[in-house]
Amino acid sequence: GAVVSQHPSRVICKSGTSVKIECRSLDFQATTMFWYRQFPKQSLMLMATSNEGSKATYEQGVEKDKFLINHASLTLSTLTVTSAHPEDSSFYICSARMGGGNTIYFGEGSWLTVV
Amino acid sequence: AQSVTQLGSHVSVSEGALVLLRCNYSSSVPPYLFWYVQYPNQGLQLLLKYTTGATLVKGINGFEAEFKKSETSFHLTKPSAHMSDAAEYFCAVTGGISNFGNEKLTFGTGTRLTIIP
Repeated sequence: GAVVSQHPSRVICKSGTSVKIECRSLDFQATTMFWYRQFPKQSLMLMATSNEGSKATYEQGVEKDKFLINHASLTLSTLTVTSAHPEDSSFYICSARMGGGNTIYFGEGSWLTVV
Repeated sequence: AQSVTQLGSHVSVSEGALVLLRCNYSSSVPPYLFWYVQYPNQGLQLLLKYTTGATLVKGINGFEAEFKKSETSFHLTKPSAHMSDAAEYFCAVTGGISNFGNEKLTFGTGTRLTIIP
């Protein structure tokens, strides 16, 4: 079946540094990927929509200069958290839609801890 | 615009008992509805979805859900709970075919299911 993979699954970084999270669709092409953020014991909040070959669309309240999204190919989207701060510590999950279908597949998620 | 309400942030059932997780939605267009399960420290796994057609949809692990337009509900059920069903369950909605190509999911706040041995 379709699989969406995220890497790394866990990352710890120092405050002020940047960290990149990758989201790959392993056996299908995804023109659109979505990035969500989940705080402990809370629901998922959409951060941005990543479109292959164009700029990402950010949700209201999400800093586009802080959360850089790149969707350089049909199978890869990256989220870079720049100048990370402890409050950026969270669980980040990406999702992708396969081609013309209506099923959305999620990655395994990435735990970011900023110390 | 769409929204989802999950009644009960925590539900506990005995092993072998009926599981019922409630989800009500609001949508200005015919919706697509989803149930996802999240195990500790993991991403989301699709349990089942409703798009069009039959209103009773069956998913993995013995779960099913029924789309009731008149009640704007999409409750998740399983006849007999198993210990492995303990997890967080999220109901989600998107704006159906009118939103095709822009499938931003709106999630409910989740229901934590605990199974009592």
